[in-house]
Amino acid sequence: GAGVSQSPSNKVTEKGKDVELRCDPISGHTALYWYRQSLGQGLEFLIYFQGNSAPDKSGLPSDRFSAERTGGSVSTLTIQRTQQEDSAVYLCASRTGLQIRETQYFGPGTRLLVL
Amino acid sequence: DAKTTQPPSMDCAEGRAANLPCNHSTISGNEYVYWYRQIHSQGPQYIIHGLKNNETNEMASLIITEDRKSSTLILPHATLRDTAVYYCIAAAGSGAGSYQLTFGKGTKLSVIP
Repeated sequence: GAGVSQSPSNKVTEKGKDVELRCDPISGHTALYWYRQSLGQGLEFLIYFQGNSAPDKSGLPSDRFSAERTGGSVSTLTIQRTQQEDSAVYLCASRTGLQIRETQYFGPGTRLLVL
Repeated sequence: DAKTTQPPSMDCAEGRAANLPCNHSTISGNEYVYWYRQIHSQGPQYIIHGLKNNETNEMASLIITEDRKSSTLILPHATLRDTAVYYCIAAAGSGAGSYQLTFGKGTKLSVIP
């Protein structure tokens, strides 16, 4: 596709359930980011993938959060045993990864609500 | 990344120039100033970035003071579609790293008809 896509666009789940959020980056982009944005707050970095390098997981808030990127393209963010404070918009972004200073292209986000 | 400070909100009349200020007094020599915006219910959108010199593209102009401690984003003819939250970020542009973006609360720009 032309841009970064994410699915689902909205997700409502019960506390304690696991959720999986999907990101399809722009074709050919080797760098992929996950962020989250809580209501009225700024953007919080979660994890970064670049090619075949080990991901930068420094932003993951707890061990309930994990992410994979299979085949260097699609990425899945998994939240286990969801808590109400996990409610937020989860944003994915990608860039080509070939240059240092590049625009990050964001997807529309997945709005997660944990009841 | 250097801390940035922006006013929480601003209004601008449609068709007029919108001037959005940002303070980044602790910016270091290798940090660029980036501007993104986020229209309601959408992902952030890149606008412009610069190091020392003023920059202009099809969306906006970026004016950086000589001491680099502050900058102003200028939307020359604001339209209703420019209503959004605008984020100013100071981030390193060289060296190894993931270059993740850290957004504060930004400035909510309301363009008034």
